[in-house]
Amino acid sequence: KQEVTQIPAALSVPEGENLVLNCSFTDSAIYNLQWFRQDPGKGLTSLLLIQSSQREQTSGRLNASLDKSSGRSTLYIAASQPGDSATYLCAVNNAGNMLTFGGGTRLMVKP
Amino acid sequence: ETGVTQSPTHLIKTRGQQVTLRCSSQSGHNTVSWYQQALGQGPQFIFQYYREEENGRGNFPPRFSGLQFPNYSSELNVNALELDDSALYLCASSFGTVQETQYFGPGTRLLVL
Repeated sequence: KQEVTQIPAALSVPEGENLVLNCSFTDSAIYNLQWFRQDPGKGLTSLLLIQSSQREQTSGRLNASLDKSSGRSTLYIAASQPGDSATYLCAVNNAGNMLTFGGGTRLMVKP
Repeated sequence: ETGVTQSPTHLIKTRGQQVTLRCSSQSGHNTVSWYQQALGQGPQFIFQYYREEENGRGNFPPRFSGLQFPNYSSELNVNALELDDSALYLCASSFGTVQETQYFGPGTRLLVL
């Protein structure tokens, strides 16, 4: 059974810092891994999807890496802004687009 | 905006009642997945519908059931509601069932009293 863990559970940083969010998973036989953002009480917004054959994906200030063999992914956020404050979730797709999610990292960026 | 819509946005029910939640998938998507997200936790997979057939199910009891219609919209039904069913229910649509990006709706917040 796939298990996904995200560390840290919560993070508070001053504006402008570069930061790294971590995601680990126990079963490396994945199709892809997806990072989402969730604002309080809202749905999920897809940030980046990394296929199993890829090592990283970039979108603007976001960069996600994937090391499938070690069961790890990181989301790097450059020059953080208060608008980045949200919960970040990673999810792995082992089969059939049925995602297994981590518990999320709650990020607060202080002005 | 993902193009995935859910209704209602909020719902209050009492224990033992039944509830139906609805999801309209993004245009062109034939797969809908449902997730339950308890407060402070990550979403958990309930089940998935592909071309009107259940295509996979998570660790949820049979009182959680669903439907997918010819236009690929979907319903989630929960019978005999329990207090622990209080959660945000999310649906996600995609084209296909393998490696596609999933697009999530805004969710339905269910409170069971």
